[in-house]
Amino acid sequence: GESVGLHLPTLSVQEGDNSIINCAYSNSASDYFIWYKQESGKGPQFIIDIRSNMDKRQGQRVTVLLNKTVKHLSLQIAATQPGDSAVYFCAEIGFQKLVFGTGTRLLVSP
Amino acid sequence: DVKVTQSSRYLVKRTGEKVFLECVQDMDHENMFWYRQDPGLGLRLIYFSYDVKMKEKGDIPEGYSVSREKKERFSLILESASTNQTSMYLCASTGAGAGRETQYFGPGTRLLVL
Repeated sequence: GESVGLHLPTLSVQEGDNSIINCAYSNSASDYFIWYKQESGKGPQFIIDIRSNMDKRQGQRVTVLLNKTVKHLSLQIAATQPGDSAVYFCAEIGFQKLVFGTGTRLLVSP
Repeated sequence: DVKVTQSSRYLVKRTGEKVFLECVQDMDHENMFWYRQDPGLGLRLIYFSYDVKMKEKGDIPEGYSVSREKKERFSLILESASTNQTSMYLCASTGAGAGRETQYFGPGTRLLVL
């Protein structure tokens, strides 16, 4: 089976709850941030992005918040569904280099 | 939709074998990347390419080489596979310039070296 998430922090939620996944980034010069979702056995899938001149961006059921003061990024998923179960990780781009976090596993129970 | 494909989903090779991993993207993207993904370590960049016949080392290039003869195709080569190269290999591509930095990933190749 898929072992990519073996040592990841895990967030367990009930179906219908809102989920908040957090990410601390390292480079204060990073100007572009992306959230990816990776389901078991698949490659990472783009969810939503945000530039450093914004502090909030909304998509369909997802919201990304950026706090540059404390170098913190969060992904909020509204009305979490079983299909949202996956590993989520953030990525930052600074100086044309993409740096990935190690990820958080989201488990959604019915 | 962007489509990035990888030649194999699962691969089993023996130590010392030469291994080729192929990646093809259909969006005319300039930039292509190879990563490996291991538990607890996240994605680590092996090599990337900004143009045909151009390559740059990433963070962990040792034991790997790459080839980009055509814009849509980026190959990762393990000259002599070793057991510590057992991993999930992910290819990604992106356009050039501001607003096109999002990397689109292929489905991954899980390589087992015995």
